[in-house]
Amino acid sequence: QVQLVESGGGVVQPGRSLRLSCAASGFTFSRHALNWVRQAPGRGLEWVAVISYDGNNKYYADSVKGRFTISRDNSKNTLYLEMNSLRAADTAIYYCAWSLFSISWFGDWGQGTLVTVSS
Amino acid sequence: EIVLTQSPGTLSLSPGERATLSCRAGQSVSSNYLAWYQQNPGQAPRLLIYGSSSRATGIPDRFSGSGSGTDFTLTISRLEPEDFAVYYCQQYGSSPITFGQGTRLEIK
Repeated sequence: QVQLVESGGGVVQPGRSLRLSCAASGFTFSRHALNWVRQAPGRGLEWVAVISYDGNNKYYADSVKGRFTISRDNSKNTLYLEMNSLRAADTAIYYCAWSLFSISWFGDWGQGTLVTVSS
Repeated sequence: EIVLTQSPGTLSLSPGERATLSCRAGQSVSSNYLAWYQQNPGQAPRLLIYGSSSRATGIPDRFSGSGSGTDFTLTISRLEPEDFAVYYCQQYGSSPITFGQGTRLEIK
């Protein structure tokens, strides 16, 4: 059974950094692209970033480009999101989700981790 | 980027009724790469439909998707109590991936 477990969320001041992790199990991690999708409180879904199965290709939403970095460790079945220069607008639940390709529908999702950017 | 507009914003129906949810794209969605998700309060989204009309694994056949180009529809043939949730469409035909703003399906 597929499991995706996000961690690393919390309260952080504007301008600071945070690193999210997503531990995966129950599927062949190294064969799937992985994504971060976020949802601001009471709002809709926003795709944030994707990394290819081998880590060689990475794509970002314009809203986070240059501030966020997605990475993965296939030996640890873990996905990461390094978030720098955080803004209040980055406050959201961050979900990880697998996809078949770098631009695709999303299969299973984790339960999410809440990031709150506030002074 | 492709803007997706879902309608209605809220749909009030009773169990057993038929639900029709709409997703309209600002430009044609390549290869009808349109997916639908269901999200219950406090939970992650769940994939229902991909490729406009293909049901995901384990999704009951009362859920069906249709459409092409710029107009897509999710139909729930007979509503069960667990179907009352928020539904999102997503296009993956072109970068960046975008979502609609959601339709809330509530019990009348």
